[in-house]
Amino acid sequence: EIVMTQSPATLSVSPGERATLSCRASQSVGSNLAWYQQKPGQAPRLLIYGASSRATGIPARFSGSGSGTEFTLTISSPQSEDFAVYYCQQYNNWPPFTFGPGTKVNIK
Amino acid sequence: QVQLVESGGGVVQPGGSLRLSCSASGFTFGSYGMHWVRHTPGKGLEWVALIWYDGSSEGYADSVKGRFTISRDNSKNTVSLQMNSLRVEDTGVYYCARFVTGLCFDSWGQGTLVTVSS
Repeated sequence: EIVMTQSPATLSVSPGERATLSCRASQSVGSNLAWYQQKPGQAPRLLIYGASSRATGIPARFSGSGSGTEFTLTISSPQSEDFAVYYCQQYNNWPPFTFGPGTKVNIK
Repeated sequence: QVQLVESGGGVVQPGGSLRLSCSASGFTFGSYGMHWVRHTPGKGLEWVALIWYDGSSEGYADSVKGRFTISRDNSKNTVSLQMNSLRVEDTGVYYCARFVTGLCFDSWGQGTLVTVSS
């Protein structure tokens, strides 16, 4: 099973300040990496797939990069609606599909 | 637009059973693999089970294997999760999700809460 880790666990940023979230896989997942946003009481929402492709309707301030075992989600200028928990997930070797523990992005 | 609506959650005692359902609309249901994913207090998001577009194959997380069974009815656009021998650690919100090759889980339902407690 591929283990996903994320850092930091919590990230405090000011609106408009760049936010950088990291995700690491225990073995290579190629580019088969997705990022999801989850707000309290809501379902996860797909943000990024294929490590760097934005899903339909996702604003350009969200970008993903990386391949193999190291990945990054960047929010270039976070808006108030972006404060949420972000999960990375691999879909290269499955089952199981595995998620990281999440990074909570807070308002500073 | 794609819509997934879960139902069947509730409160059950340890060792009990529950059956979740997910009703799909807005897309050709029989062309997509469907999954159940849960959000638990202890583990965050955890993939639970999958079923291929035609029901020909299934897969389960080790934590639920032998206790949970996924099924689908393409004539009714529904996917179900039969949960037996429930444990306290199965408590959480259960989501059904559509799998798209290359995109992974592109659409999710709103979730249904399962509470396992004595």
